[in-house]
Amino acid sequence: DTGVSQNPRHKITKRGQNVTFRCDPISEHNRLYWYRQTLGQGPEFLTYFQNEAQLEKSRLLSDRFSAERPKGSFSTLEIQRTEQGDSAMYLCASSGRNDLGLAGGYWTGELFFGEGSRLTVL
Amino acid sequence: KQEVTQIPAALSVPEGENLVLNCSFTDSAIYNLQWFRQDPGKGLTSLLLIQSSQREQTSGRLNASLDKSSGRSTLYIAASQPGDSATYLCAVLSIKAAGNKLTFGGGTRVLVKP
Repeated sequence: DTGVSQNPRHKITKRGQNVTFRCDPISEHNRLYWYRQTLGQGPEFLTYFQNEAQLEKSRLLSDRFSAERPKGSFSTLEIQRTEQGDSAMYLCASSGRNDLGLAGGYWTGELFFGEGSRLTVL
Repeated sequence: KQEVTQIPAALSVPEGENLVLNCSFTDSAIYNLQWFRQDPGKGLTSLLLIQSSQREQTSGRLNASLDKSSGRSTLYIAASQPGDSATYLCAVLSIKAAGNKLTFGGGTRVLVKP
């Protein structure tokens, strides 16, 4: 399967513990996004990487949140000292150039999402 | 700041009826618009992508239109089936958005009754 892969799919933790989620994007996609979705709401943007560079962070991403994308491949999202308000689905998406053989390619802007990682903080 | 709205929030129809889902956005300077499907507890599945220069896209029973000037998109699902029951989300990629991030609507929860 060459889609976006996220692990773990579900994490239950006690308040105050640290958790880490991993995202493996579609191979060769240079753009990677993290979103958060709470029940009954649309996803909200958290952060964006182009290759290994973190280019944009939402104000939703407090100091307890950190995301990395070493070597521009997989990404991790860590939440320190979890709070009950952190309970949500954390979605990863990747995007890349259209490589249908066109010279230079172009970015369609289409995002492909993983199955998400659901966090429950007790 | 781009805002995306989906009305209604929930919709229930009998099997076989056509579905019409609405999406509106406030800033017409968009790169594209995507429609997604989300089943309970699952991730997002991309249904249709409409580039800003396009008026519509079709895939099987699905057809999405885009009217950039009025800030609206409509997703039509013909001859609905119980398997179409899910939440449908629209999202726009704004030209001015730093980081090229998608802005999502709140979704329309669809129930197709057999």
